[in-house]
Amino acid sequence: QKEVEQNSGPLSVPEGAIASLNCTYSDRGSQSFFWYRQYSGKSPELIMSIYSNGDKEDGRFTAQLNKASQYVSLLIRDSQPSDSATYLCAGGDSGYALNFGKGTSLLVTP
Amino acid sequence: EAGVAQSPRYKIIEKRQSVAFWCNPISGHATLYWYQQILGQGPKLLIQFQNNGVVDDSQLPKDRFSAERLKGVDSTLKIQPAKLEDSAVYLCASRAPGNYGYTFGSGTRLTVV
Repeated sequence: QKEVEQNSGPLSVPEGAIASLNCTYSDRGSQSFFWYRQYSGKSPELIMSIYSNGDKEDGRFTAQLNKASQYVSLLIRDSQPSDSATYLCAGGDSGYALNFGKGTSLLVTP
Repeated sequence: EAGVAQSPRYKIIEKRQSVAFWCNPISGHATLYWYQQILGQGPKLLIQFQNNGVVDDSQLPKDRFSAERLKGVDSTLKIQPAKLEDSAVYLCASRAPGNYGYTFGSGTRLTVV
């Protein structure tokens, strides 16, 4: 069973703070990892991808991958109320479908 | 580029009835997926197509669900007969060659009463 585990939250952070979202996975064959943002009633939207150990930054978002620990994280700097959503972590092997976690609900309070 | 198109957006049916969903992926995307997302959970893969061939349908409840992708473009997902537990959002996604990130359609919200 290829599991992707996330804390369902909700994670509450004040506006302007750093939000830290975490994810672990069971399949050591997974090579690619993604973070999707899903607003209530909407479909998931890809916000970050990461394939190698280390950090990858894109604007206010930083994804971190540690394959030895089977751990993926997403940091959101200067959090805004518009970042309030559910964040889905997903991982998979090349050519195969992604396995998704249940998502972490993030609430950014003004 | 145009996104992944899905229809209908919403559907309400009675249990034991049948229903079909349609998906048109982004042009040039050979890989197409159908996912089921139950409220409060992450998307769960139902079936993966590569062109018009099935790559993975191991989690598709084949006694009631079927899917096809004729000519390697549009796809339909059918449920017959529907059960109450099939109430969910059915998401279609496609992926460009060499790019592992998916683009999702807007989904179809199915309610079985």
